[in-house]
Amino acid sequence: GENVEQHPSTLSVQEGDSAVIKCTYSDSASNYFPWYKQELGKRPQLIIDIRSNVGEKKDQRIAVTLNKTAKHFSLHITETQPEDSAVYFCAASPGGGGANNLFFGTGTRLTVIP
Amino acid sequence: NAGVTQTPKFQVLKTGQSMTLQCAQDMNHEYMSWYRQDPGMGLRLIHYSVGAGITDQGEVPNGYNVSRSTTEDFPLRLLSAAPSQTSVYFCASSYPGQATYEQYFGPGTRLTVT
Repeated sequence: GENVEQHPSTLSVQEGDSAVIKCTYSDSASNYFPWYKQELGKRPQLIIDIRSNVGEKKDQRIAVTLNKTAKHFSLHITETQPEDSAVYFCAASPGGGGANNLFFGTGTRLTVIP
Repeated sequence: NAGVTQTPKFQVLKTGQSMTLQCAQDMNHEYMSWYRQDPGMGLRLIHYSVGAGITDQGEVPNGYNVSRSTTEDFPLRLLSAAPSQTSVYFCASSYPGQATYEQYFGPGTRLTVT
């Protein structure tokens, strides 16, 4: 099955700096790569996703890049703010057959220092 | 729309007891799934369903049963609870095939087995 690795496990940045989280996946059939933000005690919330036919996607301060050849994708957060502090999870989905099974990384705890 | 709802929010069981975690969605989503989240780990797929009457195993299915008699409901049954099943359980739903594969997560059930 799919194996997703995520680095770093913790990340501290000064407010206003950029944060980058990286993930690799193993299954070349994976074609959907979402990123979730999870605040303490809350459910995961989708913040951005990318499909395999796209190399980069941006939504305001958040961007995701995908390198299918190398099987890795990254989350970039610019101009970080204290409210960006949370745990971020990457995931990959092989899709197909009407299933949207997600295989998650182990998470990155981002702390933005005011 | 209420989205994805889960009951109960918290539950304490003794080893060997059985119980059912409830999940319902009102978005007419075909795909539903159950994940468990343990400290320091990402979410792991337990069981999933691509439509009423169809279920399949995920990464960690042992000790759990599911059924999908309606599109709206996808209960998760613990047959004989074990301390290793102490975790936070999330139900999710989506409608693969549309422009987005976004999965919507419920608020979670925090289960403790003593």
